[in-house]
Parts: sequence; C-alpha cells; structure tokens
Amino acid sequence: GAGVSQTPSNKVTEKGKYVELRCDPISGHTALYWYRQSLGQGPEFLIYFQGTGAADDSGLPNDRFFAVRPEGSVSTLKIQRTERGDSAVYLCASSRDRDRGDTGELFFGEGSRLTVL
Amino acid sequence: AQSVTQLDSQVPVFEEAPVELRCNYSSSVSVYLFWYVQYPNQGLQLLLKYLSGSTLVESINGFEAEFNKSQTSFHLRKPSVHISDTAEYFCAVRSTSGSRLTFGEGTQLTVNP
Repeated sequence: GAGVSQTPSNKVTEKGKYVELRCDPISGHTALYWYRQSLGQGPEFLIYFQGTGAADDSGLPNDRFFAVRPEGSVSTLKIQRTERGDSAVYLCASSRDRDRGDTGELFFGEGSRLTVL
Repeated sequence: AQSVTQLDSQVPVFEEAPVELRCNYSSSVSVYLFWYVQYPNQGLQLLLKYLSGSTLVESINGFEAEFNKSQTSFHLRKPSVHISDTAEYFCAVRSTSGSRLTFGEGTQLTVNP
C-alpha cells in the first residue's frame, strides 16, 4: 500500500495477556518509529529502528515491552503481561533514511487501539 | 533532550475567524520544528515544518507558522478558519542531529458555524 499500515486497528485483551501489534511501513523507508498516545496526550516516543536494529529504545517503559524488525521492513511491537495502564493507541511511523534525502517528515499509520480490561 | 509546551489544550472559534495555536519548545541544541494535524478518526499528518531558511513557513491549506528562536516559539496561525479545520494539532521538535520527534500534548481546535 501507499501508506503506513497497522494491524489490528483495535485490540481488546485481558490483564496479564500477551499482545502483538504489527506495522508495515512505506516501501523503501528505512527508519521506523513506535509511539504511544494515551487519551488527551501527545504521542510518546517508544523506540526507533534504522534498518533491522533498534537505534534508540530508551522510550520503552519497562521490560514487558519489546519490538523487532527482523528484515528491516515490517515491525512487531510485543507487550507481555499486559496491564490496564497499557491501554492506549500505539502509533507507527516511517521515514526515509537521513542520508538518502530525509526531509524530517514522519509518515504515521492510523494506529492500533489497545484496551486492557 | 527537547520538550514542547502547547499552551492551550482547547481553542474554540467561529468560522472565518482568525486563530493562533501557541507552541513553545525547550532545547539546548539546534532543532527542526513541525506541526502535525489529526482529523477525527484519522492518523497524524504533517501540516508544515521548519528545517532551515525562511523562518515563516506555510501549508497548502492556509496555515502558517513562524520560527522565533529568541522566544523559542513556533506558533501556528490562520487568518480565516473553516469548519473542516476542526482537528487536534500537535507541535513537535527534533534536534538537527537526532531522529526522535518529541510532541506537545496537543491543541483541540473546534470551529463552530
């Protein structure tokens, strides 16, 4: 597709369960970002990938959160032992590589809304 | 590290009135500045950005923002708003050498007829 695709768009789970959220970036974009947006707040940075590696994971709140991007394209955000406080919209964004004409623009998906009961 | 403060959480205005959404940032290094817009039930979209050059930047739908380094501000303005401008607006900052985009908490602009 032409834009960033995120699945599922909505996920309802019970406290303690494991969830995976998927992001398919724009083709050719080497940089990929995960953000979390809680109700009434701005997006909060979680992790940034450049290619396959996590270049900055300092925004992950604790070790229950983990993200991978094994082939440098699709990324999966994994949350273990979910808590009610994890309820939020999880946003994925991609951009071109800085060294290949990065204009600074991040292209966002529509997000995955996670509700933990 | 950078931070962004959006001074108004909600801005209600009447159609065709002018509007200003305020944004101040804090950073010890040079920055790029952005405004993103989120329409109801849609993802974040870039509205305009300041990277370098002219401090006044414009969007295709009539918004403009001016980078003021001395006041560390990047306020968003439009001389005459439309109902369709109703959305949440986010100011964001990134260091010129970094990749992380830091967002403000957003301003909900509601345009009433």
